[in-house]
Amino acid sequence: SQTIHQWPATLVQPVGSPLSLECTVEGTSNPNLYWYRQAAGRGLQLLFYSVGIGQISSEVPQNLSASRPQDRQFILSSKKLLLSDSGFYLCAWSGGFGYGYTFGSGTRLTVV
Amino acid sequence: SQELEQSPQSLIVQEGKNLTINCTSSKTLYGLYWYKQKYGEGLIFLMMLQKGGEEKSHEKITAKLDEKKQQSSLHITASQPSHAGIYLCGAIYNFNKFYFGSGTKLNVKP
Repeated sequence: SQTIHQWPATLVQPVGSPLSLECTVEGTSNPNLYWYRQAAGRGLQLLFYSVGIGQISSEVPQNLSASRPQDRQFILSSKKLLLSDSGFYLCAWSGGFGYGYTFGSGTRLTVV
Repeated sequence: SQELEQSPQSLIVQEGKNLTINCTSSKTLYGLYWYKQKYGEGLIFLMMLQKGGEEKSHEKITAKLDEKKQQSSLHITASQPSHAGIYLCGAIYNFNKFYFGSGTKLNVKP
């Protein structure tokens, strides 16, 4: 069966520090991968999606970037965190159009 | 822009009461998903609707997709404190893109 792993679960980082959140999927190949963010009191916002290795599409201009170095690995990064980057980050995967979406357990990021 | 509009934004109901959450799209939906989330935790998949007029139920939660596939409602019967949380509708519009509504925060008073 397919599983999705996201880590760390919680993270407290100072302003200006770098960020790296990792998401990996098991049990499937060539998944579509997604990064979402939920700011406190707001809905989920699509940040990035990827349909293959090295293929990244950005939905919202921001202080973040994403990379997909391997088929089942999706990384969310920042060179210098801002206070506004605080929130709850969710990784998700899908088998493609018409398939369901499975979400990781999320990472709560607090920038101080 | 927000493709999916959810209403109400928040809801407080007395335990045992029924409630409805709506999700409206400006475009035809290829698939409509309902999730439940407690803030800071992962999403719990509730159900998925794909066909116009489709209705699905899980325990005391029922979701419907209208014939035009542009609106869905989530109905909870005899609400319980365990139903409290944030309910999110999500939809597929274009190939490979999945969007969420703004969410509805539900509190159930015992």
